[in-house]
Amino acid sequence: TQLLEQSPQFLSIQEGENLTVYCNSSSVFSSLQWYRQEPGEGPVLLVTVVTGGEVKKLKRLTFQFGDARKDSSLHITAAQPGDTGLYLCAGALTGTASKLTFGTGTRLQVTL
Amino acid sequence: GAVVSQHPSRVICKSGTSVKIECRSLDFQATTMFWYRQFPKQSLMLMATSNEGSKATYEQGVEKDKFLINHASLTLSTLTVTSAHPEDSSFYICSALISSRITEAFFGQGTRLTVV
Repeated sequence: TQLLEQSPQFLSIQEGENLTVYCNSSSVFSSLQWYRQEPGEGPVLLVTVVTGGEVKKLKRLTFQFGDARKDSSLHITAAQPGDTGLYLCAGALTGTASKLTFGTGTRLQVTL
Repeated sequence: GAVVSQHPSRVICKSGTSVKIECRSLDFQATTMFWYRQFPKQSLMLMATSNEGSKATYEQGVEKDKFLINHASLTLSTLTVTSAHPEDSSFYICSALISSRITEAFFGQGTRLTVV
């Protein structure tokens, strides 16, 4: 059973378009992280959200943690080819980043 | 920022041999490190939690005798894939926690293992 389901699994868009990636669970998480991973490399942390309803912005990326801390979303405005990669959400059931449970992943491709 | 270095980045070995992968925290001490496995186009699956000075805790379904983990110091954890088989071919990634920033995990670059 996958604790964290991401949607969509794949997304191919053109430069300049907006997109939203969803991360859903039936479990409550103490914190949730979003990572981006490029082929052959380890994941790179983008953001950590810890408070229900929290919204964080990182340039063109907006992250939201659901009020009940069971879900999260990542919105990218005006996507660029450099945004291409595998986006992973990861939840921590405890108050630490121990034993992160990773989502199923969303593979994003942004073309010119 | 916290840097975690993994070595080697790529390794090819013959079936039946053993391969050791190192995970080092370069600018901080990591009492806890984690080992993940990632199949092509899939997400990360936690294999085990490595604690300095004690035995690793393995996730269900992970063979501890096949995937030997040693965390002998606060900056180094190793994963040894013993008697490797082609089905062990995968991308292995480690991560580490900083005790003062326990809500963030920092990942190594990963190791691509190919068993032929």
